[in-house]
Amino acid sequence: EAGVVQSPRYKIIEKKQPVAFWCNPISGHNTLYWYRQNLGQGPELLIRYENEEAVDDSQLPKDRFSAERLKGVDSTLKIQPAELGDSAVYLCACSNTGELFFGEGSRLTVL
Amino acid sequence: GNSVTQMEGPVTLSEEAFLTINCTYTATGYPSLFWYVQYPGEGLQLLLKATKADDKGSNKGFEATYRKETTSFHLEKGSVQVSDSAVYFCALSEGTSYDKVIFGPGTSLSVIP
Repeated sequence: EAGVVQSPRYKIIEKKQPVAFWCNPISGHNTLYWYRQNLGQGPELLIRYENEEAVDDSQLPKDRFSAERLKGVDSTLKIQPAELGDSAVYLCACSNTGELFFGEGSRLTVL
Repeated sequence: GNSVTQMEGPVTLSEEAFLTINCTYTATGYPSLFWYVQYPGEGLQLLLKATKADDKGSNKGFEATYRKETTSFHLEKGSVQVSDSAVYFCALSEGTSYDKVIFGPGTSLSVIP
C-alpha cells in the first residue's frame, strides 16, 4: 500500500511570492489533515477535511492560506503571499480507521 | 486548553541503555494518548497508544502507561539500539477521536554504539 505522498519536498522562495503544496493521501482514506511544524516544535493542525468538505479550518490563517480537496482525494495547500514566518515543514496526514498516517512533509524556506 | 509537555532534548544514550522520555498532559475530559516517532528522513508514524486510564501501550520494545492521577504518559524502553535514534512526540486527542491531535514539542534521541 502506497503511503502519503507530498510534493515538493523542499521549496525556497522569496517573501511575498506564492507557493503551493500537494498531497496525495492513502487510497480510501477519507479524512485528510494539513499540519504545520515549526523548527523544534510539534505539528499544529491547520485544516481537516472529511472527503471534500473542510470541517475544521479554525487554525488556518485565511488571509494568506487556502486549501482545497477536489473530488475528496488529492489536496493542495497554498500560501499567497508568503512571509518570513511561514518557514516550516508542512505535513499532510490522512486517516480512515482513526490512526494518522503522515507524509514526509514539504519544507518551506522563505527568504 | 489542552496541551502536552515533554522533557527537553536532545537525549544521548549508549546502546543498551535504559530510556525514559517524560510526558505530561493537560486536558479536559478523557483524552487518548499517543507516542509518535519520526526517524531521519521519514514522516511521523504512530509508535503506540493508550485510550483509557491504566492502559499500557507497547510496540517495538517501547512501553507507556496512561496515568490519570499524575496526568503522565512516559515512554520507556529497557535497552535502546542505534536504530531507535529519532524524534519522539507525545500527543493527545479528545476521547477516541483523531479530529484534533495535539502534539508535544518532540524529544530528539541519539543512541551511540
